Amino acid sequence: EAGVAQSPRYKIIEKRQSVAFWCNPISGHATLYWYQQILGQGPKLLIQFQNNGVVDDSQLPKDRFSAERLKGVDSTLKIQPAKLEDSAVYLCASSSGLYTGELFFGEGSRLTVL
Amino acid sequence: KNEVEQSPQNLTAQEGEFITINCSYSVGISALHWLQQHPGGGIVSLFMLSSGKKKHGRLIATINIQEKHSSLHITASHPRDSAVYICAVSRPRYGGSQGNLIFGKGTKLSVKP
Repeated sequence: EAGVAQSPRYKIIEKRQSVAFWCNPISGHATLYWYQQILGQGPKLLIQFQNNGVVDDSQLPKDRFSAERLKGVDSTLKIQPAKLEDSAVYLCASSSGLYTGELFFGEGSRLTVL
Repeated sequence: KNEVEQSPQNLTAQEGEFITINCSYSVGISALHWLQQHPGGGIVSLFMLSSGKKKHGRLIATINIQEKHSSLHITASHPRDSAVYICAVSRPRYGGSQGNLIFGKGTKLSVKP
């Protein structure tokens, strides 16, 4: 069974530029999560989707971050414009259900903002 | 005080040693997760526990719901076990989804050959 796929693995940009990360969850998983993990800290949940609907985006900095999952399968997380403090690993995870099922994580996308 | 506490913060062991990492939590939970994170950043879910004990290869995880405590054991440790081990709890029974986790700060394990 294929795991959660993320790309790109690494991205270096200058502040005020934009960046997009892509995630393809495990086939059939209805629930998809995006986390931000700053170096030395635990992951922080940014947004969660159930199929193509947003369940919770309360921790997403909406002035610069956006995310979508238009067809209820893969998802894109965008940052525009990026700030230095956005340097982090962006993790995607999926599970079969919102309240049940094991979590499966991707390899993460490491962003460096210069 | 963090809702999820792990100990030790750092752990160095010799190859072959038996390793224990502890996790205590102070909130009601539906499940406790043990996660492994390698330097590249990706996270692997090792166990999801709501009671008792689970074993997978050389890894054993236990949870005591009454005491709000869990342990992760690694038998016959190997250098490839070197990683950060993270304890996290989910609370869908109390609101929030399975992925809305409260994370511990992690235990950095280094196994020397």
